[in-house]
Amino acid sequence: QVQLQESGPGLVKPSQTLSLTCTVSGGSITSGAYYWSWIRQHPGKGLEWIGFIYYSGAAFYNPSLRSRLTISLDTSKNQFSLKLSSVTAADTAVYYCARVSSTASQQVDCWGQGTLVTVSS
Amino acid sequence: SSELTQDPAVSVALGQTVRITCQGDSLRTYYANWYQQRPGQAPVLVIYAKNNRPSGIPDRFSGSSSGDTASLTITGAQAEDEADYYCNSRDSSGNHLVFGGGTKLTVL
Repeated sequence: QVQLQESGPGLVKPSQTLSLTCTVSGGSITSGAYYWSWIRQHPGKGLEWIGFIYYSGAAFYNPSLRSRLTISLDTSKNQFSLKLSSVTAADTAVYYCARVSSTASQQVDCWGQGTLVTVSS
Repeated sequence: SSELTQDPAVSVALGQTVRITCQGDSLRTYYANWYQQRPGQAPVLVIYAKNNRPSGIPDRFSGSSSGDTASLTITGAQAEDEADYYCNSRDSSGNHLVFGGGTKLTVL
């Protein structure tokens, strides 16, 4: 049973870079059957797809965040990471790492528990 | 368009049937998936690729699609089904994912 666990600072100052890591256990991030994704949820709001990365390193980003965003893999640690630069209060959200099927329907079939990141001075 | 539109709130009497809809141009091309999110918890996949249930999801959950609209139906709603429900799909480019705004289901 694959499990995903987010880690990183819960508080980031405005204009700095938000960095989170997702550790995957029970499965390999080098599996071609999945994309590895970040999804966020602003307080009291809906879900927003941030982006995902394939085992090859190919990454796909939400166009609205692309200029500030980097998603990367560390296959030696079975982890993937998110870096979001120049953050503002609007980036305060619960951040989920997740696994996305690489089939045509690209369903999100496994989620981390989520981690709240607050942007504040 | 890259948007998926859901009704903000729907209610259903205990034991009755409810349909939650999701509308978007990309649904003419790509399947919809559905997620249940209870307060304080991560979302859970309940329907994928239009009408497939992951292991452990009760068979009272089903999905369908017609044109630009996908639907999640709960037949015989239970108290534990009270939650937020989100649809998602690929956007029109096929390279990104999009989520609907979510529907809050109240079981009366």
